[in-house]
Amino acid sequence: EVQLLESGGGLVQPGGSLRLSCAASGFTFQNYALSWVRQAPGKGLEWVSAISGSGGSTFYADSVQGRFTISRDNSKNTVFLFMDSLGAEDAAVYYCAKVRVSLIDPDAFDFWGQGTMVTVSS
Amino acid sequence: DIQMTQSPSTLSASVGDTVTITCRASQSISDWLAWYQQKPGKAPKLLIYKASNSERGVPSRFSGSGSGTEFTLTISSLQPDDFATYYCQQYNTYSRTFGQGTKVEI
Repeated sequence: EVQLLESGGGLVQPGGSLRLSCAASGFTFQNYALSWVRQAPGKGLEWVSAISGSGGSTFYADSVQGRFTISRDNSKNTVFLFMDSLGAEDAAVYYCAKVRVSLIDPDAFDFWGQGTMVTVSS
Repeated sequence: DIQMTQSPSTLSASVGDTVTITCRASQSISDWLAWYQQKPGKAPKLLIYKASNSERGVPSRFSGSGSGTEFTLTISSLQPDDFATYYCQQYNTYSRTFGQGTKVEI
């Protein structure tokens, strides 16, 4: 059974940083690209960042380019999102999502984690 | 970036109705489009990929169509479990984008 479990969310001050983690199981981790997608309270979905299965290719939304860094540790089946210079606009539930087909990206997301909440406030 | 525009934003319907949600892309995305269902407090669930392909386990009352810039999600014979918010998403480019969502309510 595929599982994605996010952690690392919490309260951070404006200008601060936070690292999110997504622990995966139930599939051949290194074969699948993963993305982070966020959802501000009461708002829609926004794709944030993606990383290829090998970790050699990374992609970012314009809204986070230069502030967020995605990475992965295939030995630990975990993907990370390091978020820096956080502002109120970054407050959201952050979801980790897996693409449908191995070795293919971009692709639709067939499994999502339960999300982790990031609150930015002084 | 490719912009995705859904209509309507809110849709009022009754059990048994057939409803259609439209998604328009700002430029051609071929058939690289997915539809998701989201219920409050839950993660999105994939319904349709590549514009018209149903994900495994998705009831047959959900169907998708379209290509290029215009796409539709049709829900036939609406069930109580279908009241939710629906999102389209393009994945023609690495900067994949979602529509703003359509809330299907009673």
